[in-house]
Amino acid sequence: QVQLVESGGGVVQPGKSLRLSCAASGFAFGNYAMHWVRQAPGKGLEWIAVISYDRTNTYYANSVKGRFSIYRDNSKNTVDLQMSSLRPEDTAVYYCARDVSNWNSYVEYWGQGTLVTVSS
Amino acid sequence: QSGLTQPPSASGTPGQRVTIACSGGNSNIGSNFVYWYQHLPGAAPKLVIYRNNQWPSGVPDRFSGSKSGTSASLAISGLRSEDEADYYCAAWDDSLSAWVFGGGTKVTVL
Repeated sequence: QVQLVESGGGVVQPGKSLRLSCAASGFAFGNYAMHWVRQAPGKGLEWIAVISYDRTNTYYANSVKGRFSIYRDNSKNTVDLQMSSLRPEDTAVYYCARDVSNWNSYVEYWGQGTLVTVSS
Repeated sequence: QSGLTQPPSASGTPGQRVTIACSGGNSNIGSNFVYWYQHLPGAAPKLVIYRNNQWPSGVPDRFSGSKSGTSASLAISGLRSEDEADYYCAAWDDSLSAWVFGGGTKVTVL
């Protein structure tokens, strides 16, 4: 079955960088677009970014544009989120998610998430 | 980034029908499909309705979705204790070129 396992979360100071990774298994990773979505404490879900199956297309939420970058390695079945210039408001559980198609159709499966805390 | 609007809470007794509304605008719900996700604390969110009113495999038909204009709704009939969760609507926004979510509705089974 589809498995998405996030890693790399932790406590980081404001202004610093952090890279999250998501290991995918149970499906043909190279055929699907991938997303990152986050949930701040006590808040709702917020979509962050999407990358196409072949890395040629990406979209970002305005709140992270220019600070976050999404990457994927189809040889390793991983999708990463590089986060820089982190702010306290970036504190959230970050979810990796799989699209239903090779580009931006909709999120079908989600991982369990990894917690990022931005604090001094 | 503007999102969709949902009521913060909804409740019902076992067996009842609960409906959750989701309001948006012309650039999101008005021109794109609506999706609904169920989220239990500490678990991965789960897709329960796609493309306004379609069921993913394994989701019971007690869940139903509809859309009209710039609004959508999720109905849960024959409410069960395991339906107690947060529910989120989502749609692509053409103006933002981004996915927007509702703030979430906590469903409580009394």
